[in-house]
This record gives sequence, structure tokens and C-alpha cells, in this order.
Amino acid sequence: QVLLQQSGPGLVKPSQTLSLTCTVSGASISGGGYHWSWVRQSPGKGLEWIGHDYYSWTNGYDYNPSLESRVSISLDTSKNQISLKLTSVTAADTAVYYCVAYLAGGGGRGSWGQGTLVTVSP
Amino acid sequence: DIQMTQSPSTLSASVGDRVTITCRVSQSVSNWLAWYQQKPGKAPKILIYKASNLERGVPSRFSGSGSGTEFTLTISSLQPDDFATYYCQHYGSSSPWTFGQGTRVDI
Repeated sequence: QVLLQQSGPGLVKPSQTLSLTCTVSGASISGGGYHWSWVRQSPGKGLEWIGHDYYSWTNGYDYNPSLESRVSISLDTSKNQISLKLTSVTAADTAVYYCVAYLAGGGGRGSWGQGTLVTVSP
Repeated sequence: DIQMTQSPSTLSASVGDRVTITCRVSQSVSNWLAWYQQKPGKAPKILIYKASNLERGVPSRFSGSGSGTEFTLTISSLQPDDFATYYCQHYGSSSPWTFGQGTRVDI
């Protein structure tokens, strides 16, 4: 079973960069088999898929076009971690951010992190 | 981008009711659709994958159907634990992997 432990600051100032890390246990991110993803949920709102990365020899990342200019997802195979960076944040980026390991070909199955509330505020 | 239209947005029901939630997709996603249940303060939990497959451990009163552009989640007999918000999500080769707007099931 894949377990995801999220970490990162809960408060970010406007115009700065939001950075979150997700430590994976129970699977190797370099072993393939999962789309390593981030999903967010603004307070009282629905779910928004941010993007994912799939470990491979070629670029395996894909981002939500609405965030593409500001987001990057990267994999650290030495630490078995996934990271999310979102630049130039505003109050609209205040949300609970989830790390998600979607099983490749699994039809939506996978594991979710515990969620991190990130508030953008001066 | 693929657009997801989930209906209704809110549903009031009683224990024992049969409940149906619909997810319409702007273009065919074959059977690449999942259904999730979310309770307040918790991460979503998958119920149905590949449109009609029941995730292990999920009660059999939940079922999914559909393909292409129209999908349905049915709860055959609503239980107290089922009052929650439900989301559909498409995935696969077409990005972004959009979620529906959600359906809140209230007492």
C-alpha cells in the first residue's frame, strides 16, 4: 500500500512561491506504475486537479492549463519525494492541497495524502 | 478541455432512498471515469473506477454505469454513513483530469 506524507508551510505571502513536499512509502517513484499528482480544494469548493508527473525517460508531466504557467511538479528519486511549486500566489490559491498517487491504468484508483491547508495571506 | 457537468448539485434524501447522480462529459472519455466520496475534513475516497467497477471494500449498494459521455452513480439504499459529497473525475490520455462540480447529499 502506498502511503503519502505531506509537508510544507501552511502560510505563504502573496506573490511568493508555494512549495509542498510529499514523501512516498510503499512504492518507488522511479519504478513507474503511478501518476504522482497534486489536487487542491479551495475552502467550501470542489476539487481541482493541478497536474501530475510520471517517472520515465522522457518528460512525463502534465499540468492543468489554468495553472500551467505557474506550476511545476518534480520527482526526487533519491528521497522518494514529490514536490509541488506554485509561483506568484494570490488569495485565490488558498486551498487544501492533496498529494495523490494514481495507479497507472488503475481507473482512478490510488492513494491520497492527508492534505495540507495553505493560506495565502500577508 | 473536457468539461464535466455533474447533477444535481445538492440532493436531499432519506435513509433507504435510491439515489442517482449523473455526470455528463463534453466529449467521450470511454470508461475512464471514477467516482469519489468526500466527507468534511477528509480526503476523497474512491468508490467506483473505470465507470462501473466497485473498489474493494466499498459497499455493494454503490454502483456505477455509463460510458462515453454520460455516467451515473447509484446508491441503492441510502445509509446514514452515505451523507457526503460525491465527485466524478475523468482521467486518461486527455488532460486535464477534471472533476465534476460535486453533489452534496443531505438528509
